[in-house]
Amino acid sequence: DIQMTQSPSSLSASVGDRITITCQASQDIANYLNWYQQKPGKAPKLLIYDTYKLQTGVPSRFSGRGSGTEFTLTISSLQPEDIATYFCQHCDHLPPTFGQGTKVDFK
Amino acid sequence: EVQLVESGGGLVKPGGSLRLSCAASGFTFDTYGFNWVRQAPGKGLEWISFVSASNTYIYYADSVKGRFTISRDNTKKSVFLQMSSLRAEDTAIYLCARDPGRLEPSYFDHWGQGVLVTVSS
Repeated sequence: DIQMTQSPSSLSASVGDRITITCQASQDIANYLNWYQQKPGKAPKLLIYDTYKLQTGVPSRFSGRGSGTEFTLTISSLQPEDIATYFCQHCDHLPPTFGQGTKVDFK
Repeated sequence: EVQLVESGGGLVKPGGSLRLSCAASGFTFDTYGFNWVRQAPGKGLEWISFVSASNTYIYYADSVKGRFTISRDNTKKSVFLQMSSLRAEDTAIYLCARDPGRLEPSYFDHWGQGVLVTVSS
């Protein structure tokens, strides 16, 4: 199985900060990488699929980049509603696996 | 509005069985695949099963293969997960997730709120 490793595991930032979360795959997954946001007690929400494609309704401050084994999710200007845990997930082949999550909160 | 609503969770003894349901509305059900994903308390996400729109392609994680069975009923717009030989490590919130993938899991564009399954004596 492909192992997905996110860094950092948690981060603290201020409103308006630019933050970047990294996801590393244990083998080449081309651009088959998706990002989800999960708030406490809620279901995950798809933010970005196929590395950089923004899901309908997701604010443009979210962006994704990468290819192969290294990927990033960037929030250009952190907003209060962005406090959540973020997961990456590959869908290159079976089984799809998720990163362990990055918890984002305020300083 | 796309809605996925899971039901059927609860407390079950080790070795027992449970059947989860996921009722869908707000979209053309038979054009999408579906996944079950679980999340143990305070832990990350684990994909466990996929069924394609055509019901032709079905896959399982090794951790549940041979014990869990996924199915769908397009007339009822529902997806099911039959779980048997349950173990303590199956304790988790089980989430149903819609998938545009035609042959195998891709990305999960809508999720239900999940249902808690607790396996304990």
